[in-house]
Amino acid sequence: SQKIEQNSEALNIQEGKTATLTCNYTNYSPAYLQWYRQDPGRGPVFLLLIRENEKEKRKERLKVTFDTTLKQSLFHITASQPADSATYLCALDGAAGGFKTIFGAGTRLFVKA
Amino acid sequence: NAGVTQTPKFRILKIGQSMTLQCAQDMNHNYMYWYRQDPGMGLKLIYYSVGAGITDKGEVPNGYNVSRSTTEDFPLRLELAAPSQTSVYFCASSLPGQGGYGYTFGSGTRLTVV
Repeated sequence: SQKIEQNSEALNIQEGKTATLTCNYTNYSPAYLQWYRQDPGRGPVFLLLIRENEKEKRKERLKVTFDTTLKQSLFHITASQPADSATYLCALDGAAGGFKTIFGAGTRLFVKA
Repeated sequence: NAGVTQTPKFRILKIGQSMTLQCAQDMNHNYMYWYRQDPGMGLKLIYYSVGAGITDKGEVPNGYNVSRSTTEDFPLRLELAAPSQTSVYFCASSLPGQGGYGYTFGSGTRLTVV
């Protein structure tokens, strides 16, 4: 069955360092991979989308890589700040239409000042 | 722009009761969705709609119903509430071809069935 995995353990890093979160998937051929931020008690907020033919995407301090051979995406936050503390979700979308978006459970990030 | 607005934010239901979760968006998005989020799990799609008058089941539709009479509104109806429906419910919307644009989510409704 289709499966998407994010590290269930929280990631703790020091302010100023680069945070790297991982999203792995199996039995899926996504056309797009998305990353969302979710704060406690709030809905997810769309951050970045990367297409299957793109290797890397950047937006300000955020960088996403997408390796369809390894079936993995890495999400990096450079020069992390305490305000970056949140849960980060990845989501996969299929290529052939329909509504096959699957979401990971998310990884909690804590950035210490 | 308000984006996606959900009401209520919290609700406690007794087993067997019914209720409607409201969702409205002001971005003129054709596509709208209802998801539920349980602790430690990814979002699960309940129902979706590609436009007014068109709805379809997602991954976990049992116990729920939807309607889409206008582009803006997409209410979710719970009939005969059960403890298994205790969850946080999110409404979302997107432009057509949802994978290419990302979703806009509401702030959620936390429902407890006792």
